[in-house]
Amino acid sequence: AQTVTQSQPEMSVQEAETVTLSCTYDTSESDYYLFWYKQPPSRQMILVIRQEAYKQQNATENRFSVNFQKAAKSFSLKISDSQLGDAAMYFCAYRGQGGSEKLVFGKGTKLTVNP
Amino acid sequence: DVKVTQSSRYLVKRTGEKVFLECVQDMDHENMFWYRQDPGLGLRLIYFSYDVKMKEKGDIPEGYSVSREKKERFSLILESASTNQTSMYLCASSLPARGEKLFFGSGTQLSVL
Repeated sequence: AQTVTQSQPEMSVQEAETVTLSCTYDTSESDYYLFWYKQPPSRQMILVIRQEAYKQQNATENRFSVNFQKAAKSFSLKISDSQLGDAAMYFCAYRGQGGSEKLVFGKGTKLTVNP
Repeated sequence: DVKVTQSSRYLVKRTGEKVFLECVQDMDHENMFWYRQDPGLGLRLIYFSYDVKMKEKGDIPEGYSVSREKKERFSLILESASTNQTSMYLCASSLPARGEKLFFGSGTQLSVL
């Protein structure tokens, strides 16, 4: 079964600085999708960014970018110019091929942004 | 605006009660999911449904059942609530393609006393 590991339960960053959240995963599949979701205190989970495994180019969404290392099975999220509104729980997630379409989540990283 | 609506934000029930958690989506999505979120454990899949009346067990289905009689509605049922089912429950929906994102509800915080 696929597993997703987020090794940093908590992280903090100063406003306007850059922070990187780590995620590794275990799979034997070659084709899959990876996601980062954000859950602010309102509890509403929203998609931050997604990456297709067969695409070598790292995905970018405004201040959010990923460093996807397929051979190392690593998928880190970089947040540039951090803002107070970035404070949230961040979850890394994996979705594989085959008949099942379930999303497997990591345990999450709590990000604090200091003013 | 697309929407996934969970019927209750907070719910308090007693041990042994039958509990229904309702979820409705207005996006005509085929897939619907129920996750459980606990501190330090992340999100764990309880059940998901890929069509009306179709369901599959997730990673932690014990003590739960589901019902999907209409495409827009996916219900999670706790047949006999227990204290270890105190948790945050999140419903989500998506289109069937694997790269499609999940749309989540705001969650139901269930306390079983």
